[in-house]
Amino acid sequence: KAGVTQTPRYLIKTRGQQVTLSCSPISGHRSVSWYQQTPGQGLQFLFEYFSETQRNKGNFPGRFSGRQFSNSRSEMNVSTLELGDSALYLCASSLWVDQPQHFGDGTRLSIL
Amino acid sequence: GENVEQHPSTLSVQEGDSAVIKCTYSDSASNYFPWYKQELGKRPQLIIDIRSNVGEKKDQRIAVTLNKTAKHFSLHITETQPEDSAVYFCAASRVGGGADGLTFGKGTHLIIQP
Repeated sequence: KAGVTQTPRYLIKTRGQQVTLSCSPISGHRSVSWYQQTPGQGLQFLFEYFSETQRNKGNFPGRFSGRQFSNSRSEMNVSTLELGDSALYLCASSLWVDQPQHFGDGTRLSIL
Repeated sequence: GENVEQHPSTLSVQEGDSAVIKCTYSDSASNYFPWYKQELGKRPQLIIDIRSNVGEKKDQRIAVTLNKTAKHFSLHITETQPEDSAVYFCAASRVGGGADGLTFGKGTHLIIQP
């Protein structure tokens, strides 16, 4: 069974631009969560989607948004990029909302 | 919201010895506690998890204990091997980790000395 797939793996952007990251969950998994990982702040929860609905959101500004499609694939978008948005963005999927989460390899976003 | 403290930040043990990593949480409503292992440049990998209706869970060389009263949980690795070297993260959440998201500790860098 294929794991969680995130694309692209690496991305370089400049301040003020926007970016869209993609996540394909494990086949059959309905819940997708996004996390930001930085050396200073560690792993922080961004948001979680289930059945195309955002169920919860972490403490991030409105520039961070996401969505989920009917096939459970998810995208997250960051607008007006700032230098501090440089991070590894990880997607995790679970079979249901109360099941263990499994992570993808992440997208490494660098802001110049 | 939930706050998870993890100690130590770095742990060095001799190969074959045991390693213990401890975490405390603040939200008494948290009921799910997973542990992830992340090797350099790789994805966090779920190694074991425990729910609040259980006090201890074991999987081969790995065990997790939970003390709900004191709001702390620990990871125990016995007979450590070189491949156990990695950063280990504890986390806490309500339900199964989906509804409110996982709150992670800052991580423990485990070094296995040959």
